Amino acid sequence: GDSVTQMEGPVTLSEEAFLTINCTYTATGYPSLFWYVQYPGEGLQLLLKATKADDKGSNKGFEATYRKETTSFHLEKGSVQVSDSAVYFCALRQNSGNTPLVFGKGTRLSVIA
Amino acid sequence: KAGVTQTPRYLIKTRGQQVTLSCSPISGHRSVSWYQQTPGQGLQFLFEYFSETQRNKGNFPGRFSGRQFSNSRSEMNVSTLELGDSALYLCASSFIFRGDKAYEQYFGPGTRLTVT
Repeated sequence: GDSVTQMEGPVTLSEEAFLTINCTYTATGYPSLFWYVQYPGEGLQLLLKATKADDKGSNKGFEATYRKETTSFHLEKGSVQVSDSAVYFCALRQNSGNTPLVFGKGTRLSVIA
Repeated sequence: KAGVTQTPRYLIKTRGQQVTLSCSPISGHRSVSWYQQTPGQGLQFLFEYFSETQRNKGNFPGRFSGRQFSNSRSEMNVSTLELGDSALYLCASSFIFRGDKAYEQYFGPGTRLTVT
């Protein structure tokens, strides 16, 4: 079945550092790819998405590019802030519209001032 | 536009009891999915409802059930609670038609269930 693998955390960075969180997937066909963020005590918020190969999703300074050849969707941000501290989930969903999201295990990010 | 709402936010139950959780989707969303989040297993899909019909089901025992009403609100029920059912239960809603917003799921804040 489909699966998503994320780099294990926790990741601790200083404010203004560059962030990369690796995500690779195994899936049939061409699923849509997502990054969700979960702040303490809250549900998941959709951060960005890409629906086809070479698409770049971006939001709030975060970016990720759908790489079909490497089956990857790495999350990047050029300069992190303390407010970015959260758990980040990579996920995929087949484009049949009748399938659930498949999540990675999540990567906890802590940004220190 | 109001987001996905879930009630209650917190619940404490005893082993053997049953519990019902409620979810109201974003206005206009007709698909509702439920996920269980635990530290050990991560996020796992429970089931999805659309137009009051279960369209998809994850790998959970029959003690876990759900339903959807004509106004798209959904409930999930867990009977004969076990300690391992302690988790954050997340509800997500989505459009089901093609277009830019297709396949995006929007999550509620979750219900934290503790079984003692």
